[in-house]
Amino acid sequence: GAGVSQSPRYKVAKRGQDVALRCDPISGHVSLFWYQQALGQGPEFLTYFQNEAQLDKSGLPSDRFFAERPEGSVSTLKIQRTQQEDSAVYLCASSLATSGGNEQFFGPGTRLTVL
Amino acid sequence: GENVEQHPSTLSVQEGDSAVIKCTYSDSASNYFPWYKQELGKRPQLIIDIRSNVGEKKDQRIAVTLNKTAKHFSLHITETQPEDSAVYFCAAVDNAGNMLTFGGGTRLMVKP
Repeated sequence: GAGVSQSPRYKVAKRGQDVALRCDPISGHVSLFWYQQALGQGPEFLTYFQNEAQLDKSGLPSDRFFAERPEGSVSTLKIQRTQQEDSAVYLCASSLATSGGNEQFFGPGTRLTVL
Repeated sequence: GENVEQHPSTLSVQEGDSAVIKCTYSDSASNYFPWYKQELGKRPQLIIDIRSNVGEKKDQRIAVTLNKTAKHFSLHITETQPEDSAVYFCAAVDNAGNMLTFGGGTRLMVKP
């Protein structure tokens, strides 16, 4: 079956522009996560959804970052007024169950470059 | 919150040798420890995981050990092959949360 997909795969933005990154999780997966991976580092947690509810957004670095999952499937991560430090790979992951300790399946990521 | 440290950051081995990567975690409530392999420009993929009620788990050439008392866990790859070359990440999940806290990664290079 299809895995987690993300679009676009690459995004170049000028500083100050708004961007929207899309994640299509595996069908039926209840949990959805967004991570930010800077070059040469491990992914860092941004936010977590259980169905349409955003249960944890403690990792969002500023109020310029906003995520939604209105119908409990597709999710969008929006970054307003992008800055150079936002340049990173944004990874989406989904998991079948709601409790911790279940495999998270990752998408290919969106590489964001802010000029 | 949880903090995961991973060592070494780079590891070079000869084909056929073993490779060991070590991680420590800070939150004693953590109970799930997956290992991901990430090839250049690709998505992280789970290669093995272990839960806190188990001390060791093996899958063919890959094994993971967990020491809850010392709060550390290790990945062991035996009979390494060039296709094992990648960046490996350890991670931890605590009982209350769901998100993964990753280590900084280990770049493994297997020389033919």
